[in-house]
Amino acid sequence: ETGVTQSPTHLIKTRGQQVTLRCSSQSGHNTVSWYQQALGQGPQFIFQYYREEKNGRGNFPPRFSGLQFPNYSSELNVNALELDDSALYLCASSLSPDSHGGETQYFGPGTRLLVL
Amino acid sequence: DQQVKQNSPSLSVQEGRISILNCDYTNSMFDYFLWYKKYPAEGPTFLISISSIKDKNEDGRFTVFLNKSAKHLSLHIVPSQPGDSAVYFCAASGAGTASKLTFGTGTRLQVTL
Repeated sequence: ETGVTQSPTHLIKTRGQQVTLRCSSQSGHNTVSWYQQALGQGPQFIFQYYREEKNGRGNFPPRFSGLQFPNYSSELNVNALELDDSALYLCASSLSPDSHGGETQYFGPGTRLLVL
Repeated sequence: DQQVKQNSPSLSVQEGRISILNCDYTNSMFDYFLWYKKYPAEGPTFLISISSIKDKNEDGRFTVFLNKSAKHLSLHIVPSQPGDSAVYFCAASGAGTASKLTFGTGTRLQVTL
């Protein structure tokens, strides 16, 4: 067990609504990355937070925003939901931005979002 | 622009045989490569990695080979077991962006009895 949890596990929203997804990182991990995995695709990097500051962003519109809190939890917010936002959203926690994946970066089980 | 490609969406192998999963990349700034295994309803689980200064890394039944000149890596599983049936993702990262991973589209491995 990695110690990274995400909530909710599943969510259904309608187009135009807003959604907040939550992640609880492994204790001591001050870096969290969010990924979107659409059906049949690999995870795509959305953005990363390090010590509550944004530390890089992938090719996603500003509708996707996030926050990281001092208690190792973080949020992904998506405004004005579109049908294409339907996907599995994964968070991954690591000790630092310089931690390669692998033994030092752990993924949560994901939140499956369906936009109707 | 798919910087990490897994051209085989699926692979079926008999139990006990070798499974070979392939991955190609285009970005020469990538210097670290990883393989993840993913079961339904779970997050990706790290399997094995390799730094660009090596051409082979072994861990039990799993071996990753890296051919930098061809920008190609492969994962060998020997012997394959039914529990290995899952989706396998190749991922890469670059210097200065170590924890930001670029994933391939995945290969679904089915190990049959």
